[in-house]
Amino acid sequence: QLQLQESGPGLVKPSGTLSLTCSVSGGSIRSNTHYWGWIRQPPGKGLEWIGSVYFGGSTFYNPSLKSRVTISVDTSKNQFSLRLSSVTAADTAVYYCARMEGGDAAYYYFGMDVWGQGTTVTVSS
Amino acid sequence: SYELTQAPSVSVSPGQTARITCSGDALAKQYAYWYQQKPGQAPVVVIYKDSERPSGIPERFSGSSSGTTVTLIISGVQAEDEADYYCQSADISGTVVFGGGTKLTVL
Repeated sequence: QLQLQESGPGLVKPSGTLSLTCSVSGGSIRSNTHYWGWIRQPPGKGLEWIGSVYFGGSTFYNPSLKSRVTISVDTSKNQFSLRLSSVTAADTAVYYCARMEGGDAAYYYFGMDVWGQGTTVTVSS
Repeated sequence: SYELTQAPSVSVSPGQTARITCSGDALAKQYAYWYQQKPGQAPVVVIYKDSERPSGIPERFSGSSSGTTVTLIISGVQAEDEADYYCQSADISGTVVFGGGTKLTVL
C-alpha cells in the first residue's frame, strides 16, 4: 500500500525558506499516470493547492504562489520536495503531500489513501 | 485563475438529505471532485468525476452536475458524516483549485 510521509522543520523564521520533503513508500514515484503534489491548510481555513510535479521533473504551480515555490523530485530516493521562499506568518499551515491522478487536467484530483498525514509548519521569529 | 464557491455551512438532522453545492465557471467543462475532511485528518475523496463514488465510500454519497454548479448529496445523513467538505477542480492549464469548504453539521 502506498504511503506518503512529510518531513522537515516545524518552525521557520519570517523571510526564510520553508523546505519539506515527501517520502513515498510502497510504490514508485516513477509513475506515468500520476503527479505528486503539495497542498496546505492554514489553521481554521480551507485547502490550498501549492503545486505538482511529474517524476520527469515537469512542474505546475498555483499562480498565486508561483514566484516563491519550487517543487522538485528525486527518483533515486523516491521523494519529492517543496521549497517556499520569503515566508511570512500567512504561510503558517499544515502542509500535505499527496499523489495526484494525472493525464488530462480534467482528471486531476488527489485519490483515496494517497495523502501524507500532514506536517505543521509555523512561521515565527 | 478561477474560483469555486461553496456555502460556509449546511445543517441537517440525522436521516435527512444534505446537499452541498459548489459553483464556478470552469465546472461547465471540467470535472469536479469532492473531499471529506474530519478534524485532524487528511482529506478523503468521496466523489470523483462529478458523480463517481470510490470503492469504500458509502452509497449514501452521490454527486450531480448541472452547468456551472455541482452538488454533493448525502442521503440519510449520519452523525459520522459531520465534517468539512471541499469541492475541487482544475482548469485547462492544470491549475488545481479548491472551494472554500462547507462545514456540515448534523443536528
